[in-house]
Amino acid sequence: DAGVIQSPRHEVTEMGQEVTLRCKPISGHDYLFWYRQTMMRGLELLIYFNNNVPIDDSGMPEDRFSAKMPNASFSTLKIQPSEPRDSAVYFCASSSAGLPQHFGDGTRLSIL
Amino acid sequence: GQQVMQIPQYQHVQEGEDFTTYCNSSTTLSNIQWYKQRPGGHPVFLIQLVKSGEVKKQKRLTFQFGEAKKNSSLHITATQTTDVGTYFCAGPPGNMLTFGGGTRLMVKP
Repeated sequence: DAGVIQSPRHEVTEMGQEVTLRCKPISGHDYLFWYRQTMMRGLELLIYFNNNVPIDDSGMPEDRFSAKMPNASFSTLKIQPSEPRDSAVYFCASSSAGLPQHFGDGTRLSIL
Repeated sequence: GQQVMQIPQYQHVQEGEDFTTYCNSSTTLSNIQWYKQRPGGHPVFLIQLVKSGEVKKQKRLTFQFGEAKKNSSLHITATQTTDVGTYFCAGPPGNMLTFGGGTRLMVKP
Protein backbone atom coordinates (compact mmCIF):
# COMPACT_ATOMS: atom_id res chain seq x y z
CA ASP A 1 0.00 0.00 0.00
CA ALA A 2 1.41 3.39 -1.02
CA GLY A 3 -0.04 5.23 1.94
CA VAL A 4 -1.50 8.73 1.83
CA ILE A 5 0.27 10.80 -0.81
CA GLN A 6 0.51 14.57 -0.53
CA SER A 7 1.96 17.09 -2.94
CA PRO A 8 3.88 19.25 -3.00
CA ARG A 9 6.14 18.41 -0.04
CA HIS A 10 7.29 22.00 0.21
CA GLU A 11 5.77 25.21 -1.11
CA VAL A 12 7.19 28.70 -0.83
CA THR A 13 5.17 31.52 -2.31
CA GLU A 14 4.47 35.19 -1.88
CA MET A 15 1.48 36.50 -0.03
CA GLY A 16 -1.55 37.06 -2.19
CA GLN A 17 -0.86 34.03 -4.37
CA GLU A 18 -3.19 31.07 -4.64
CA VAL A 19 -1.91 27.87 -3.06
CA THR A 20 -3.25 24.42 -3.88
CA LEU A 21 -2.38 21.39 -1.78
CA ARG A 22 -3.19 17.92 -3.04
CA CYS A 23 -3.92 14.60 -1.39
CA LYS A 24 -4.46 11.04 -2.55
CA PRO A 25 -5.95 8.91 0.24
CA ILE A 26 -5.39 5.22 0.76
CA SER A 27 -7.57 3.21 -1.58
CA GLY A 28 -10.70 1.97 0.14
CA HIS A 29 -10.68 4.57 2.89
CA ASP A 30 -13.93 6.51 3.02
CA TYR A 31 -12.84 9.29 5.36
CA LEU A 32 -10.41 12.06 4.48
CA PHE A 33 -9.15 14.71 6.87
CA TRP A 34 -7.17 17.94 6.42
CA TYR A 35 -5.10 19.18 9.37
CA ARG A 36 -2.87 22.17 9.96
CA GLN A 37 0.04 22.02 12.40
CA THR A 38 1.84 25.01 13.91
CA MET A 39 3.93 25.45 17.02
CA MET A 40 1.41 27.85 18.48
CA ARG A 41 -1.83 25.99 17.80
CA GLY A 42 -0.71 22.38 17.54
CA LEU A 43 -2.56 19.96 15.28
CA GLU A 44 -5.90 21.39 14.16
CA LEU A 45 -8.59 19.64 12.14
CA LEU A 46 -9.67 21.90 9.29
CA ILE A 47 -12.26 19.80 7.47
CA TYR A 48 -13.17 16.19 6.89
CA PHE A 49 -15.03 14.28 4.19
CA ASN A 50 -16.98 11.04 4.23
CA ASN A 51 -17.57 9.38 0.87
CA ASN A 52 -16.39 12.57 -0.85
CA VAL A 53 -18.94 14.73 0.98
CA PRO A 54 -17.74 17.46 3.38
CA ILE A 55 -19.07 16.63 6.84
CA ASP A 56 -17.55 19.23 9.13
CA ASP A 57 -15.68 22.33 8.00
CA SER A 58 -15.93 24.21 11.27
CA GLY A 59 -12.15 24.22 11.56
CA MET A 60 -11.58 26.09 8.31
CA PRO A 61 -10.10 29.41 9.41
CA GLU A 62 -11.90 31.72 7.00
CA ASP A 63 -13.32 32.08 3.53
CA ARG A 64 -9.86 32.16 2.02
CA PHE A 65 -9.69 28.42 2.63
CA SER A 66 -11.64 25.91 0.57
CA ALA A 67 -11.46 22.14 0.17
CA LYS A 68 -12.87 19.78 -2.42
CA MET A 69 -13.01 16.06 -2.96
CA PRO A 70 -14.18 15.44 -6.53
CA ASN A 71 -13.69 11.67 -6.24
CA ALA A 72 -12.62 8.99 -3.80
CA SER A 73 -8.96 9.21 -4.75
CA PHE A 74 -8.27 12.94 -4.74
CA SER A 75 -8.75 16.00 -2.59
CA THR A 76 -7.48 19.57 -2.70
CA LEU A 77 -7.10 22.31 -0.12
CA LYS A 78 -6.87 25.83 -1.58
CA ILE A 79 -5.87 29.07 0.01
CA GLN A 80 -6.70 32.21 -1.94
CA PRO A 81 -5.30 34.74 -1.29
CA SER A 82 -2.53 33.37 0.91
CA GLU A 83 -1.16 35.29 3.91
CA PRO A 84 2.03 34.85 5.96
CA ARG A 85 0.00 33.56 8.93
CA ASP A 86 -1.05 30.60 6.78
CA SER A 87 2.50 29.26 7.00
CA ALA A 88 2.31 25.82 8.58
CA VAL A 89 2.56 22.12 7.85
CA TYR A 90 -0.64 20.82 6.29
CA PHE A 91 -1.42 17.13 6.70
CA CYS A 92 -3.94 14.99 4.93
CA ALA A 93 -5.10 11.78 6.60
CA SER A 94 -7.48 9.02 5.63
CA SER A 95 -9.24 6.20 7.42
CA SER A 96 -12.08 3.75 7.31
CA ALA A 97 -14.94 4.23 9.76
CA GLY A 98 -13.90 3.66 13.34
CA LEU A 99 -10.31 2.85 12.43
CA PRO A 100 -7.11 4.84 13.04
CA GLN A 101 -6.07 7.61 10.73
CA HIS A 102 -3.14 7.32 8.34
CA PHE A 103 -1.30 10.55 7.71
CA GLY A 104 0.58 11.71 4.66
CA ASP A 105 4.04 13.22 4.88
CA GLY A 106 2.56 16.73 4.88
CA THR A 107 3.12 19.90 2.89
CA ARG A 108 5.38 22.47 4.50
CA LEU A 109 3.95 25.81 3.38
CA SER A 110 5.80 29.10 3.70
CA ILE A 111 4.10 32.34 2.70
CA LEU A 112 6.51 35.24 2.37
CA GLY B 1 -16.77 21.54 22.32
CA GLN B 2 -14.63 18.66 23.36
CA GLN B 3 -11.17 19.47 24.65
CA VAL B 4 -8.26 17.11 25.09
CA MET B 5 -5.40 18.28 27.27
CA GLN B 6 -1.98 16.70 27.64
CA ILE B 7 0.71 17.20 30.23
CA PRO B 8 3.55 17.83 30.30
CA GLN B 9 4.18 19.81 27.11
CA TYR B 10 7.88 18.95 27.15
CA GLN B 11 9.98 16.38 28.93
CA HIS B 12 13.74 15.97 28.91
CA VAL B 13 14.99 12.65 30.22
CA GLN B 14 18.31 10.90 30.42
CA GLU B 15 18.46 7.75 28.35
CA GLY B 16 17.34 4.86 30.52
CA GLU B 17 14.93 6.92 32.61
CA ASP B 18 11.19 6.35 32.51
CA PHE B 19 8.70 8.76 30.93
CA THR B 20 4.97 9.30 31.36
CA THR B 21 2.52 11.55 29.53
CA TYR B 22 -1.03 12.15 30.67
CA CYS B 23 -4.13 12.91 28.65
CA ASN B 24 -7.42 14.32 29.95
CA SER B 25 -10.66 14.83 28.06
CA SER B 26 -13.46 17.21 28.96
CA THR B 27 -15.96 14.54 27.90
CA THR B 28 -16.26 10.77 28.17
CA LEU B 29 -14.60 9.07 25.21
CA SER B 30 -15.76 5.99 23.35
CA ASN B 31 -12.10 5.26 22.66
CA ILE B 32 -8.75 6.94 22.75
CA GLN B 33 -5.90 6.73 20.28
CA TRP B 34 -2.21 7.47 20.67
CA TYR B 35 0.06 8.71 17.91
CA LYS B 36 3.79 9.41 17.72
CA GLN B 37 5.35 12.07 15.53
CA ARG B 38 9.10 12.01 14.98
CA PRO B 39 10.81 15.36 14.38
CA GLY B 40 10.07 16.42 10.81
CA GLY B 41 7.67 13.53 10.33
CA HIS B 42 3.97 12.88 10.45
CA PRO B 43 1.80 11.39 13.20
CA VAL B 44 1.86 7.62 13.20
CA PHE B 45 -0.78 5.55 14.94
CA LEU B 46 0.44 3.58 17.96
CA ILE B 47 -2.60 2.09 19.66
CA GLN B 48 -6.31 2.41 20.39
CA LEU B 49 -7.92 1.79 23.79
CA VAL B 50 -11.63 1.10 24.01
CA LYS B 51 -12.56 -0.46 27.35
CA SER B 52 -12.76 1.27 30.70
CA GLY B 53 -9.59 0.55 32.70
CA GLU B 54 -7.90 -1.08 29.71
CA VAL B 55 -4.13 -1.53 29.80
CA LYS B 56 -2.11 -2.45 26.73
CA LYS B 57 1.60 -2.94 26.28
CA GLN B 58 3.88 -2.60 23.30
CA LYS B 59 7.38 -3.62 24.36
CA ARG B 60 8.54 -0.78 26.64
CA LEU B 61 5.35 1.26 26.13
CA THR B 62 2.35 0.85 28.47
CA PHE B 63 -0.96 2.52 27.63
CA GLN B 64 -3.80 2.91 30.10
CA PHE B 65 -7.41 4.09 29.72
CA GLY B 66 -9.06 5.47 32.84
CA GLU B 67 -12.04 3.88 34.53
CA ALA B 68 -14.23 6.87 33.68
CA LYS B 69 -12.93 6.87 30.08
CA LYS B 70 -11.94 10.53 30.39
CA ASN B 71 -8.21 10.12 30.86
CA SER B 72 -5.34 8.07 29.59
CA SER B 73 -1.61 7.70 30.05
CA LEU B 74 1.40 6.48 28.15
CA HIS B 75 4.40 5.22 30.09
CA ILE B 76 7.75 4.40 28.51
CA THR B 77 10.15 2.29 30.54
CA ALA B 78 13.88 2.84 30.12
CA THR B 79 13.73 5.41 27.35
CA GLN B 80 15.98 5.13 24.32
CA THR B 81 17.04 7.78 21.82
CA THR B 82 14.66 6.20 19.32
CA ASP B 83 11.76 7.26 21.56
CA VAL B 84 12.38 10.94 20.72
CA GLY B 85 9.32 12.65 19.28
CA THR B 86 5.96 14.10 20.17
CA TYR B 87 3.29 11.83 21.57
CA PHE B 88 -0.34 12.77 20.95
CA CYS B 89 -3.51 11.38 22.39
CA ALA B 90 -6.68 11.82 20.37
CA GLY B 91 -10.32 11.12 20.99
CA PRO B 92 -13.48 11.05 18.90
CA PRO B 93 -16.52 12.23 18.62
CA GLY B 94 -17.54 9.98 15.83
CA ASN B 95 -14.93 9.65 13.14
CA MET B 96 -13.35 12.98 13.89
CA LEU B 97 -10.39 13.12 16.23
CA THR B 98 -9.61 15.89 18.66
CA PHE B 99 -5.88 15.85 19.29
CA GLY B 100 -4.25 16.86 22.52
CA GLY B 101 -1.43 19.38 22.37
CA GLY B 102 1.13 16.59 22.54
CA THR B 103 4.08 15.90 24.80
CA ARG B 104 7.47 16.41 23.23
CA LEU B 105 9.98 13.89 24.54
CA MET B 106 13.69 14.61 24.32
CA VAL B 107 16.18 11.94 25.36
CA LYS B 108 19.77 12.73 26.28
CA PRO B 109 22.16 9.89 25.43
